[in-house]
Amino acid sequence: DVVLTQTPPTLSATIGQSVSISCRSSQSLLHSNGNTYLNWLLQRPGQPPQLLIYLVSRLESGVPNRFSGSGSGTDFTLKISGVEAEDLGVYYCVQSTHANTFGAGTKLELK
Amino acid sequence: EVQLVETGGGLVQPGRSLKLSCVASGFTFNNYWMSWTRQAPGKGLEWVASITNSGGSTYYPDSVKGRFTISRDNAQNTLYLQMNSLRSEDTATYYCTRRDYGRPFAYWGQGTLVTVSS
Repeated sequence: DVVLTQTPPTLSATIGQSVSISCRSSQSLLHSNGNTYLNWLLQRPGQPPQLLIYLVSRLESGVPNRFSGSGSGTDFTLKISGVEAEDLGVYYCVQSTHANTFGAGTKLELK
Repeated sequence: EVQLVETGGGLVQPGRSLKLSCVASGFTFNNYWMSWTRQAPGKGLEWVASITNSGGSTYYPDSVKGRFTISRDNAQNTLYLQMNSLRSEDTATYYCTRRDYGRPFAYWGQGTLVTVSS
């Protein structure tokens, strides 16, 4: 089974600070069809998760462009360029190349 | 607007069964694969089951295989999750999700809470 390791587990940031979250896979997420099915979700307190980034780097409609995704193979990164208060919550990476696996989450807090 | 509304959660004793439903609206239900994903209280997310748009194929992780059954009624725009032999570790909020190509977790319901306890 694929294991996704997210770091750090907790991230403290000030408003306007840029931050990055890492997601490392135990095996390559490159599918035989050439796509890499790695997505990023944000779950705000008391809410279901929402999709931010899909296929590694594609921004979901309506998501601010301060969010960006990058990576390939087994190493992926979510970057927030200028944290805003509404960005607080738990971020999850999830892969769908080999069934579906979620990372353990990264909690973004205000410093 | 895509809407997914889950129902059927509640308190159930270990070893008993429960069936969840998810009514979909705002899109052509029989065009999409659907999934269930759960979240234990204060914990992370776990994929539970997926079903093809026709209902002809289903997929499960080992943690629920043989105990849970996903199904759908395309005429009623409804997704189901039959859960048997429930255990305390199945306690979670269960979310219905639409599986878009390349965007498998783009749409979520609000979830329904299942508590397995004696």
